[in-house]
Amino acid sequence: DADVTQTPRNRITKTGKRIMLECSQTKGHDRMYWYRQDPGLGLRLIYYSFDVKDINKGEISDGYSVSRQAQAKFSLSLESAIPNQTALYFCATSRGRYNEQFFGPGTRLTVL
Amino acid sequence: GQQLNQSPQSMFIQEGEDVSMNCTSSSIFNTWLWYKQDPGEGPVLLIALYKAGELTSNGRLTAQFGITRKDSFLNISASIPSDVGIYFCVPVSLHRNQFYFGTGTSLTVIP
Repeated sequence: DADVTQTPRNRITKTGKRIMLECSQTKGHDRMYWYRQDPGLGLRLIYYSFDVKDINKGEISDGYSVSRQAQAKFSLSLESAIPNQTALYFCATSRGRYNEQFFGPGTRLTVL
Repeated sequence: GQQLNQSPQSMFIQEGEDVSMNCTSSSIFNTWLWYKQDPGEGPVLLIALYKAGELTSNGRLTAQFGITRKDSFLNISASIPSDVGIYFCVPVSLHRNQFYFGTGTSLTVIP
């Protein structure tokens, strides 16, 4: 069973549409993260949450919003998708101070 | 601001060769983590280093936390085809509550 689950795994949408990517975890971790990865590049942090009441912007939060519905769930929304948001999106969780993160399988998003 | 350099950016090696990659930063960190990302998957933690000077092994992988706390290296011995992927260093600062992903080293192993 996957410890960190992301849905959908693939999504194709059109410019201007609202999109929600969901992440669930069964690891019992408090901390959750959203990243994007562009081809040939590393991971860039979009938002992170250290507990249900804590939401923090990352390096590239513009154009994105998040919701931490429960300890186990962390959703990423694109209010009005644009083509340069085409990327691979990863959710991750961690348990403590050293940020040893466990990643989901990723969502491939294409905005036409 | 913080600068993190990971090198080399890519490597093409023959199966059986040893590999070395490193990261250097402009700031001091408490922890260095090394991740590997297989094609089409999320990164997976390989090795965690918590003390300056620490040398840790995980099978054919060996990593060290530099004594200055500003650098780390990862070595892979006797490479095999399944070593293919992207390797990321991630330094962590506890008191600044910050962490950074390196730009990655893409490894290709030629059978």
